[in-house]
Amino acid sequence: KQEVTQIPAALSVPEGENLVLNCSFTDSAIYNLQWFRQDPGKGLTSLLLIQSSQREQTSGRLNASLDKSSGRSTLYIAASQPGDSATYLCAVGLSTGSQGNLIFGKGTKLSVKP
Amino acid sequence: DTAVSQTPKYLVTQMGNDKSIKCEQNLGHDTMYWYKQDSKKFLKIMFSYNNKELIINETVPNRFSPKSPDKAHLNLHINSLELGDSAVYFCASSQDRETGGEETQYFGPGTRLLVL
Repeated sequence: KQEVTQIPAALSVPEGENLVLNCSFTDSAIYNLQWFRQDPGKGLTSLLLIQSSQREQTSGRLNASLDKSSGRSTLYIAASQPGDSATYLCAVGLSTGSQGNLIFGKGTKLSVKP
Repeated sequence: DTAVSQTPKYLVTQMGNDKSIKCEQNLGHDTMYWYKQDSKKFLKIMFSYNNKELIINETVPNRFSPKSPDKAHLNLHINSLELGDSAVYFCASSQDRETGGEETQYFGPGTRLLVL
């Protein structure tokens, strides 16, 4: 059974700092991995998707890496801003199509202080 | 334009009632999903559906049933509501890679259900 763990559960950093959020999964047989952002009381916004054959994806100040063999992914946020404050969720996709449902971690709540 | 929309945004109801939550996506995606986020903010898949098959998470009670009138809609029907059904329900959609998509899941804003 696939389990996804995110460490730390909460993180507080001063503005401008670079930071890394960690995600680990127990079964390396994944199809893809997605990082989401959730703001309080809001839905999820997809940040990055990494296919199982890829090692990393970049979007602006965000960089996500994937190491399938060790069951790990990291989300690197450069030059953090107060607007980055949110809960970041990691989710692994097990297959495609209607079996492509995601298994989520419990998230890391990030607070960036001005 | 809203890509994935849900109605209602808030739903407060009594135990034992039957209710529905609607979901519509205008992205042309072929797969839709329902997730439940509990009070501890943990997201868990309930259903995934495309025109080929419905996959049901075995932990979901059969009081919950998805209904898809067409490719753009996947509604969630809940019978005999219980206190433990209180949660935020999210709809999502994606396009399969084999039909030209990138598999990214796009989520609706959520429906906050409170059962009294």
